[in-house]
Amino acid sequence: QVQLQESGPGLVKPSQTLSLTCNVSGDSINSGGYYWSWIRQHPGKGLEWIGYIYHTGSTFYNPSLKSRVNILVDSSKNQLSLKVTAVTAADTAVYYCARVGVYGSGTYWGQGILVTVSS
Amino acid sequence: EIVLTQSPDTLSLSPGEGATLSCRASQSISRSYLVWYQQKPGQAPRLLIYGASSRATGIPDRFSGSGSGTDFTLTITRLEPEDFAVYYCQQLHGTPQTFGQGTKLEIK
Repeated sequence: QVQLQESGPGLVKPSQTLSLTCNVSGDSINSGGYYWSWIRQHPGKGLEWIGYIYHTGSTFYNPSLKSRVNILVDSSKNQLSLKVTAVTAADTAVYYCARVGVYGSGTYWGQGILVTVSS
Repeated sequence: EIVLTQSPDTLSLSPGEGATLSCRASQSISRSYLVWYQQKPGQAPRLLIYGASSRATGIPDRFSGSGSGTDFTLTITRLEPEDFAVYYCQQLHGTPQTFGQGTKLEIK
């Protein structure tokens, strides 16, 4: 059973960097056929795709966030990470990591972590 | 960017009735790359349908997906109390991998 678990600070100050980690169990983060993804959901709103990293190391980001986002993999720890720089209140959201199948099959999401940007 | 528009925004039905949810894409996408999720309050989205019409593991057969090109549909027959939730479509055809805005299925 694939499981993903997000962790990181629940409160970040404006202009600082949001850093989250996603611990993956039940699968290798180096396995092909999946987009290792980050998605966020603003309070009471819909889902916003942030980006993904593929097992080849290729990354794709949402153009609306591209200049501020970085997704990395730590293979030794089987972890996925997300960094968002220069955060504002508009970055307050629940952040999810997910293993998304290339055709959708085998998609699993973490439970999500609420990150609030406030001084 | 492929824009997905879901309709209706809210659907009010009673248990036992059937539901039809629509997802329209701004350009044609391969049906292989269209998925549907269910999200309940306080929970992460759960995969229901992949490849436009294949049910994910453990999903009851009252859930079915159909469609091609720009028009896709999620159908739920005989609504159960646990089916009242928000439903999202997502396209994996291209980046950004956009989501529809969601359809809230509420109890009438």
